[in-house]
Amino acid sequence: GAVVSQHPSWVICKSGTSVKIECRSLDFQATTMFWYRQFPKQSLMLMATSNEGSKATYEQGVEKDKFLINHASLTLSTLTVTSAHPEDSSFYICSALGQLSGNTIYFGEGSWLTVV
Amino acid sequence: ELKVEQNPLFLSMQEGKNYTIYCNYSTTSDRLYWYRQDPGKSLESLFVLLSNGAVKQEGRLMASLDTKARLSTLHITAAVHDLSATYFCAVVRYYKYIFGTGTRLKVLA
Repeated sequence: GAVVSQHPSWVICKSGTSVKIECRSLDFQATTMFWYRQFPKQSLMLMATSNEGSKATYEQGVEKDKFLINHASLTLSTLTVTSAHPEDSSFYICSALGQLSGNTIYFGEGSWLTVV
Repeated sequence: ELKVEQNPLFLSMQEGKNYTIYCNYSTTSDRLYWYRQDPGKSLESLFVLLSNGAVKQEGRLMASLDTKARLSTLHITAAVHDLSATYFCAVVRYYKYIFGTGTRLKVLA
């Protein structure tokens, strides 16, 4: 099946710094990628939808200047958490949709972010 | 706004018992998924339900969909410890996956 890979799987950063998380579709071209955030013992919350070559569409309540999403190629989307604070600590999961994946979305392995 | 609710939120059950998890959603959707999530891990796809009356089974898990009632169920038969995990339903609308609140299942030996 299709594979979506995230990197890093685990990152700790200092407050005030920025951190980038990558999401790659390894065996198909992802026209659309989705970014989710999951706090401990909670559900997944959709943050934004990104289409290759265009600006991401953010869900209500998600700060687009804080969570920068770039989808510059059909196999890579990045999420940059700018000026991270401890409350940004969370599990971030991406998913990807492409022509060859049919109507199925494949999820990455997730990235744990801890801001200290 | 599409809302997805699961019931119960937490479930502790003895091995060998049966139970049903419910997923209610508020508007029409294109399809419905059930996922399993182990602690610290991403999602594992269990079932996709595409149409009214769809029923799928894999091992001790069986999922069904009633689009008229906007209800899906995940039935656990003769639970075993390995089924301990968090289960999410997700309703898809225009390629957006809206997740339910999740049900944490703990199966006691």
